[in-house]
Amino acid sequence: EAGVAQSPRYKIIEKRQSVAFWCNPISGHATLYWYQQILGQGPKLLIQFQNNGVVDDSQLPKDRFSAERLKGVDSTLKIQPAKLEDSAVYLCASSFPTGGDTQYFGPGTRLTVL
Amino acid sequence: DAKTTQPTSMDCAEGRAANLPCNHSTISGNEYVYWYRQIHSQGPQYIIHGLKNNETNEMASLIITEDRKSSTLILPHATLRDTAVYYCIVRVYSSNDYKLSFGAGTTVTVRA
Repeated sequence: EAGVAQSPRYKIIEKRQSVAFWCNPISGHATLYWYQQILGQGPKLLIQFQNNGVVDDSQLPKDRFSAERLKGVDSTLKIQPAKLEDSAVYLCASSFPTGGDTQYFGPGTRLTVL
Repeated sequence: DAKTTQPTSMDCAEGRAANLPCNHSTISGNEYVYWYRQIHSQGPQYIIHGLKNNETNEMASLIITEDRKSSTLILPHATLRDTAVYYCIVRVYSSNDYKLSFGAGTTVTVRA
């Protein structure tokens, strides 16, 4: 069974630039999550989707972060404009069918904002 | 909002059992305990979870105390590849669904 795929694996941008991350969950997993992990800390949930609907985006900084999951499969997380403090690893996870089931994580995208 | 307390770090010898403690004194009756680990530069990996009874799978054993206020993850024969950050998590229900709230975890170093 293929795992959660993420791309790119690494990204370096200047502050105020825009960046987008892509995630393809495990086939059949209805629930998709984006987490932010700052160095030395545990992952922090940014947003949770159930199919193509948002279940929880209470921790998403909506002034600069956005996410979508248009067809209930792949998802994109965007930051516009990026700040220095956005430097982190962005992790995507999926579960079947709800958050009550085990979450499986992708390898993450390491973002460095200069 | 993590509901667990873990030691910051611990060492163990290769081939020996590694016992990782976790306190979750405010856990509610229907909240599960989950364990994940994160090897350097990888995403978190699911290990095991439990509610009341002890659990065992091919990776580890989970021992939960009778009052459910603490638990221990046991890696029966630690190898160098088990070096990772181990997260003990109480799964809670909030904002319409179940959530995993990660703390800082325990950095486990397996030494040859």
